Amino acid sequence: SQQGEEDPQALSIQEGENATMNCSYKTSINNLQWYRQNSGRGLVHLILIRSNEREKHSGRLRVTLDTSKKSSSLLITASRAADTASYFCATGRFSSGSARQLTFGSGTQLTVLP
Amino acid sequence: DTEVTQTPKHLVMGMTNKKSLKCEQHMGHRAMYWYKQKAKKPPELMFVYSYEKLSINESVPSRFSPECPNSSLLNLHLHALQPEDSALYLCASSQPGQGARGYTFGSGTRLTVV
Repeated sequence: SQQGEEDPQALSIQEGENATMNCSYKTSINNLQWYRQNSGRGLVHLILIRSNEREKHSGRLRVTLDTSKKSSSLLITASRAADTASYFCATGRFSSGSARQLTFGSGTQLTVLP
Repeated sequence: DTEVTQTPKHLVMGMTNKKSLKCEQHMGHRAMYWYKQKAKKPPELMFVYSYEKLSINESVPSRFSPECPNSSLLNLHLHALQPEDSALYLCASSQPGQGARGYTFGSGTRLTVV
């Protein structure tokens, strides 16, 4: 079942602007991950933040996590047309056999206009 | 190039057909997953295999039958599907205990049931 909601559902910005997406979740987590999906393709892992971390950076990506509010945000700086995609947050928790059960949020469709 | 290979990329099948989706990874991952994704929706977990054993079945109808012949292969056998089963089926893998690397997804099989 779907873990949480993402906000906004759709975001359209100009190239060079920053894009911020928010994610809320419902249950306790071990980590929170962000994935990108180009239209009709597989998902690509972008960044993971552990439950004991508050902020993490990777290139043009900045992720924050507030476990007290059960929320996370993804900031993409200096956006490019190639960043156009759907972005999903996903929360991970351990299941039996040490496999991590990953549950996805509803997603944000980002469009970067040239 | 994705490190998780799914075949076929597209599949059209009738409601009385039997078909199989295949997924292969050579990253030495010991956890593999099947997800189902409807248009404009997030992926939904179907099955989790950990060390070649089924560890999670998210109440998936029996017309979907997973199989993990070895640590590199994951199959999804389909029989007597319904049109509402049309979706993108995604396979993913991960290494238990190395959660920081996230999941690696294949490009998916686009299934249409007619």
